[in-house]
Amino acid sequence: QPVLTQSPSASASLGGSVKVTCTLSSGHSSYAIAWHQQQPEKGPRFLMKVNSDGSHIKGDGIPDRFSGSSYGAERYLIISSLQSEDEADYYCQTWGTGIHAVFGGGTQLTVL
Amino acid sequence: EVQLLESGGGLVQPGGSLRLSCAASGFTFTFYAMSWVRQAPGKGLEWVSSISVSGGNTDYADSVKGRFTISRDNSKNTLYLQMNTLRAEDTAVYYCAKDYTVTTTAIVMDFESWGQGALVTVSS
Repeated sequence: QPVLTQSPSASASLGGSVKVTCTLSSGHSSYAIAWHQQQPEKGPRFLMKVNSDGSHIKGDGIPDRFSGSSYGAERYLIISSLQSEDEADYYCQTWGTGIHAVFGGGTQLTVL
Repeated sequence: EVQLLESGGGLVQPGGSLRLSCAASGFTFTFYAMSWVRQAPGKGLEWVSSISVSGGNTDYADSVKGRFTISRDNSKNTLYLQMNTLRAEDTAVYYCAKDYTVTTTAIVMDFESWGQGALVTVSS
């Protein structure tokens, strides 16, 4: 079963950019992941899938400010032109044959 | 537009039972596996259970195995979670989630759409 590791918190300035990282455990660096956003008091929202080659597929209506990439066992969520509504918790999640859905611990993003 | 609407949450005593429902619309329900994911107060997301399109394949987290039962009624586009022998540690917001990948028998768990959640509180 893969383990996903995220930093508990991140911060960036309004109008700036931020990179949120999700690290796959050893032996699982080929796994795709999904990024989900959870704004305060709301249900999660699917942002995108990020593959091991760095390609990504975004959900419907997700702004161009959101993008994804990969390097080795790391998967990234990059948010540019930060807006106040981007202040949220961001969870990475993976899946695979013979494994259950696995979530990272979440990164709480503060927009300064 | 995909919509998932959970209902049936509430306050229940330890040892009690509750049934959650998730009404789905805006997509072909019979093309996708479905799941329940929960979030305890102040905590992260935890997968609970999943079911294939036909209902023939189900899967459960160890923490709920033997106590919870997932099911679906494809004629009503509705997903269910029967929760028995509830414990304080089952207190959480329960979300239903739809897979991204179209499947016939498999359960992928690549979640693409989420409901707004139903709060379940287990307390005396």
